[in-house]
Amino acid sequence: DAMVIQNPRYQVTQFGKPVTLSCSQTLNHNVMYWYQQKSSQAPKLLFHYYDKDFNNEADTPDNFQSRRPNTSFCFLDIRSPGLGDAAMYLCATSTRGAGDNEQFFGPGTRLTVL
Amino acid sequence: GEDVEQSLFLSVREGDSSVINCTYTDSSSTYLYWYKQEPGAGLQLLTYIFSNMDMKQDQRLTVLLNKKDKHLSLRIADTQTGDSAIYFCADYSGNTPLVFGKGTRLSVIA
Repeated sequence: DAMVIQNPRYQVTQFGKPVTLSCSQTLNHNVMYWYQQKSSQAPKLLFHYYDKDFNNEADTPDNFQSRRPNTSFCFLDIRSPGLGDAAMYLCATSTRGAGDNEQFFGPGTRLTVL
Repeated sequence: GEDVEQSLFLSVREGDSSVINCTYTDSSSTYLYWYKQEPGAGLQLLTYIFSNMDMKQDQRLTVLLNKKDKHLSLRIADTQTGDSAIYFCADYSGNTPLVFGKGTRLSVIA
């Protein structure tokens, strides 16, 4: 089945230790998104790629970076995680231009910062 | 910026209907969505409605849209324990990415 895959599902890192979360998709969608979701809050968009074009949300901290080496993969790098970065990180994909912007979400990676 | 508001909690008895409400501020919304999130999982699209419609029905789900009042609701008929989850309303205008509400936690009592 076509899907959005996130690895790992659970990630534990230490304060200040860089961490990378990964997302892959078999849907061949041209848009990929990274969201941060804290407990009892709405998902917050960090950035998205339209093909190779990177779009950063204005309030995304510089501590967060992203890479998309090809259509299928997208990475979220947190350079120096703080305690406030502990959250669920959701990857999503869509086909922009379809009009309805339906987004397909992965299961998420729960990040714990010690 | 644009805003989407939902009540945070709803509790219903199994077999009853659930109605989850949402209000939004974007007057140029083109699509409105309902997503379901089960514990520890990503978001699953349940249904969506185009802004020129006022109702959409899909099996147990009925979406009502009052564009004048910018009010959206999701009705789940014959609610089951498997419907217990967080339901997110989201708004898309074509100019910005999806704007999500904070989610409504639905608890179904057996």
